[in-house]
Amino acid sequence: KAGVTQTPRYLIKTRGQQVTLSCSPISGHRSVSWYQQTPGQGLQFLFEYFSETQRNKGNFPGRFSGRQFSNSRSEMNVSTLELGDSALYLCASSLTGGTGNQPQHFGDGTRLSIL
Amino acid sequence: DQQVKQNSPSLSVQEGRISILNCDYTNSMFDYFLWYKKYPAEGPTFLISISSIKDKNEDGRFTVFLNKSAKHLSLHIVPSQPGDSAVYFCAASPQRAGNMLTFGGGTRLMVKP
Repeated sequence: KAGVTQTPRYLIKTRGQQVTLSCSPISGHRSVSWYQQTPGQGLQFLFEYFSETQRNKGNFPGRFSGRQFSNSRSEMNVSTLELGDSALYLCASSLTGGTGNQPQHFGDGTRLSIL
Repeated sequence: DQQVKQNSPSLSVQEGRISILNCDYTNSMFDYFLWYKKYPAEGPTFLISISSIKDKNEDGRFTVFLNKSAKHLSLHIVPSQPGDSAVYFCAASPQRAGNMLTFGGGTRLMVKP
């Protein structure tokens, strides 16, 4: 069974640019969440999408946005990149929207470096 | 304000012995708890979870204990194996709010042969 797939694995951008990251969830999973991991802040929740709707949002500025498509694939976008956006961005998927005990399964992440 | 805390950044255990990783939380709305294992350059791998209606859940060598009154959970690994060496994260969420996990800072477990 294929796991969560994130592309690209590595990305280098410069300040002020924008970036789009992609996530394909496990087949049949309808909930997709995004997390940011940095050495200083650890793993932090960005947002969750379920049935193409953003259901939850973490405490991040509006430069961070996302969307989900009808096939449950998701993208996140970061505009006007800052040095502090350098991080590992992780995508996780689960079967349901949190109404049962359904764990999230993570991809291997996209390592974003801002120069 | 850290709502989920793992106070031990690292833990070293001899192969074959028990590993006990601890986690404390402050948010009373959390009712679903998970443990993940993470190797370098990989995403977190789900290990085991527990709902607040239980106080113990077992899966093979892994057991999670939940003490709601103390807002404390622990992961027991018995027996510990060198392949268990990794960073372990506990995470919590309020189930009805959907999938938004709050993670602890992680504990690096080293199992020595």
